[in-house]
Parts: sequence; structure tokens; C-alpha cells
Amino acid sequence: GAGVSQSPSNKVTEKGKDVELRCDPISGHTALYWYRQSLGQGLEFLIYFQGNSAPDKSGLPSDRFSAERTGGSVSTLTIQRTQQEDSAVYLCASSLVARGGETQYFGPGTRLLVL
Amino acid sequence: AQSVTQPDIHITVSEGASLELRCNYSYGATPYLFWYVQSPGQGLQLLLKYFSGDTLVQGIKGFEAEFKRSQSSFNLRKPSVHWSDAAEYFCAVGDRGSTLGRLYFGRGTQLTVWP
Repeated sequence: GAGVSQSPSNKVTEKGKDVELRCDPISGHTALYWYRQSLGQGLEFLIYFQGNSAPDKSGLPSDRFSAERTGGSVSTLTIQRTQQEDSAVYLCASSLVARGGETQYFGPGTRLLVL
Repeated sequence: AQSVTQPDIHITVSEGASLELRCNYSYGATPYLFWYVQSPGQGLQLLLKYFSGDTLVQGIKGFEAEFKRSQSSFNLRKPSVHWSDAAEYFCAVGDRGSTLGRLYFGRGTQLTVWP
């Protein structure tokens, strides 16, 4: 079956511009996660959604970052007024439910470069 | 707070040699434990996971990992490495009993395989 898909694959933007990154989770998965992978760093948790519950935004690095999930499926991560330190690979993952041991399935990521 | 340490940033082995990638975690109890692999330009793929029971876990692609509670370790092993195993490997932990489901990742170990 189809896995997690993300678009665009690559995004180059100028400092100060806004960007939107999209994630399509596996059909039927109620939990969706965003992670950021910076050079030399591990994967940093950003935000997660579980069904219709309020998202856990505890990992968002600043108020320039926001995310929404429409209809319990597709999610969009928005970065406003991008900065060079936002350059990273943004990974989306989904799981059947949000639970400690549940396997998360990752998309290929969006590579963001802020000039 | 949970933390994951992968002490080796980069490991180089010859094809056919054995491999061990180290992972140590800091957690109040026994967490869920995962190993993921990331090939260039790809998302993360689950190799194996430990929930409970037998401390030696078998995964895909001939990998195995052993949970050692006394050492807070979950090292990944493969008896004979293939050139296609060259990739980045991430150890991760998940909260046991959590309804959040977020994962805490190590910084990764880059594996290079010499022919």
C-alpha cells in the first residue's frame, strides 16, 4: 500500500519568506508527527496530532512554526519569516494510533534550504 | 528527560565483516526501543523494535539487537555486512505507557562499507 508522502521534495527559499510543507499520512493512521533533522543533529520532535485532539506543540522551536491537520488526514507545516537556521530536512511520520510503542512510518522528507 | 546516545558518529567496515552499533539510553524505566535506518534521500525505515520479553530481537535485513537492562543499552548487530547496508542508523526510545507516542532519537551513526 501507499506509504507516507511529502511534498515538495526540495524547497529553496529566501530568508524572510514563508514556506508550507505538506504531508499525506498512511490511510487510516490517526497519529501524525513532524520531526526536523538538522545537519549533525538527530531527529528533533516538532509536533504531533492524534485524531481530533488538540495537537502537542511542545517541540515547536518558535512561534514562526505552526501546523495544521485537515480532516484528520493531510497535514501542513508552515514556517513564517524563514531564517537560515531553519534549513533542515523535515520528516513526517504516521502511526495507527499515538502510543508509546506504536511503529511510526516515515515519509522521504522535505529538504528545506533558506538562503 | 529521556535521552539517547549513539557514541559512534561514523563507522567503517569491510563487506562481510561483522557490525555492532552502540546505543545507550537514559530513562526511568524500560522504554520501548527502536532501530531505524535511513538511506540517502530516503525516509527512515524500521529495522526492529523491543517491547518486552526476549531481550534478543530479530529484525529485517539480517539485523538483530540485544536489550541489556543493566547497561541501559540496545546495540544493533549484523554478522556479515553487505555493501547495501551503507546508510545512517538511528536508535530511538518511546515512552512506555505514554499516550503521546513521540520518539526520542539519537544523533545517528553513519555506516560506510568498503568493498
